[in-house]
Amino acid sequence: EIVLTQSPATLSLSPGERATLSCRASQSVNSYLAWYQQKPGQAPRLLMYDASSRATGIPARFSGSGSGTDFTLTISSLDPEDFAVYYCQQRTNWPLTFGGGTKVEIK
Amino acid sequence: EVQLLESGGGLVQPGGSLRLSCAASRFTFSNYAMSWVRQAPGKGLEWVSGISATGAGTYYADSVKGRFTISRDNSKNTLYLQMNSLRAEDTALYYCAKVYGGQGYYFDYWGQGTLVTVSS
Repeated sequence: EIVLTQSPATLSLSPGERATLSCRASQSVNSYLAWYQQKPGQAPRLLMYDASSRATGIPARFSGSGSGTDFTLTISSLDPEDFAVYYCQQRTNWPLTFGGGTKVEIK
Repeated sequence: EVQLLESGGGLVQPGGSLRLSCAASRFTFSNYAMSWVRQAPGKGLEWVSGISATGAGTYYADSVKGRFTISRDNSKNTLYLQMNSLRAEDTALYYCAKVYGGQGYYFDYWGQGTLVTVSS
């Protein structure tokens, strides 16, 4: 199974700052990687798919990059509503797998 | 807007069984693959099982293979998860998730989840 490792576990930032989240795969997933946002008590929300494509309705401040084994989600300027947990997910191989998550918290 | 409504969760003893359901509406259910994803209390997301649009293809996480069975009834717009031989580590909120159109197994809509607690 492909293991996805996210770092850092927690990111403490202020509104308006830039957030950079990392997801590393144990083997190549090509570009078949998604990012999700989850807020407390809510279901996950799809942000990005195929590493760099924004899902419907996702603001332009969210961007994704990477291919192979190293991926990055960037939030260019943190809005108060962006403080949440973020997960990456690969669809290259069965079983599908998620990373352990990065919590973006208010500093 | 797409709606996914899970049901069937509850408290069950180790070794017991439960059947989860996910009622789908406001989209053409028979056109989309679906999955179950779970989240243990305070933990991350874990993909559990997936099924193709027709039901011909089914896929499982190693942790549930041989114990859980995914199925669907396209005439009833409903997804199921039959869970047998339940263990304490199966305790989680179980989400039903719709695959994102033609983009492969990413999930664009999720239900609110149904809680399964395995305890004596």
